[in-house]
Amino acid sequence: GENVEQHPSTLSVQEGDSAVIKCTYSDSASNYFPWYKQELGKGPQLIIDIRSNVGEKKDQRIAVTLNKTAKHFSLHITETQPEDSAVYFCAASKGQAGTALIFGKGTTLSVSS
Amino acid sequence: NAGVTQTPKFRILKIGQSMTLQCTQDMNHNYMYWYRQDPGMGLKLIYYSVGAGITDKGEVPNGYNVSRSTTEDFPLRLELAAPSQTSVYFCASSYRAGTTSEAFFGQGTRLTVV
Repeated sequence: GENVEQHPSTLSVQEGDSAVIKCTYSDSASNYFPWYKQELGKGPQLIIDIRSNVGEKKDQRIAVTLNKTAKHFSLHITETQPEDSAVYFCAASKGQAGTALIFGKGTTLSVSS
Repeated sequence: NAGVTQTPKFRILKIGQSMTLQCTQDMNHNYMYWYRQDPGMGLKLIYYSVGAGITDKGEVPNGYNVSRSTTEDFPLRLELAAPSQTSVYFCASSYRAGTTSEAFFGQGTRLTVV
């Protein structure tokens, strides 16, 4: 079935450094790729998303890149801050109808000051 | 604006007991979803609904049932609780299909089956 692989599972950086999280997906029909941030004790919250007709999207310190040929996409966070510490999930739409999302296993990002 | 509200926040069940996890949203979203989150495993889709009266199975539907009688509510039913159902459950909703609009998540229900 459809699968999304996410790496690394944990990532520790110093404040001000950049962080990169990578995901690969298996369903060639996937056309929507959101990233969610989950803080402790809360539900996931969308931080950025990208569609298959776009190769890169940026929102302030956060950017996402997509390579449809290789079936992988990445999250880039620049100038990290302690409040960026959280669990980050990538996801890919399921099938051509895309009624739901398939999630990666998550990356725990720790930013130390 | 409350968004997606889940109740209860925590629950301990004994093996074989049943319970209903409640989910309601006030954003008039057509699409609603139930996910479970196990440690280090991401979120797995249990059931979803594209509108009142319409539900469909996700990746891990066994042991669960849902109904969607109104646009606002999407309860998840566990009939015979098993230890394998110990997890954190998240309800979510979106205006259109999850691929075309943001999915909003509730705060989660932490369920322990002993």
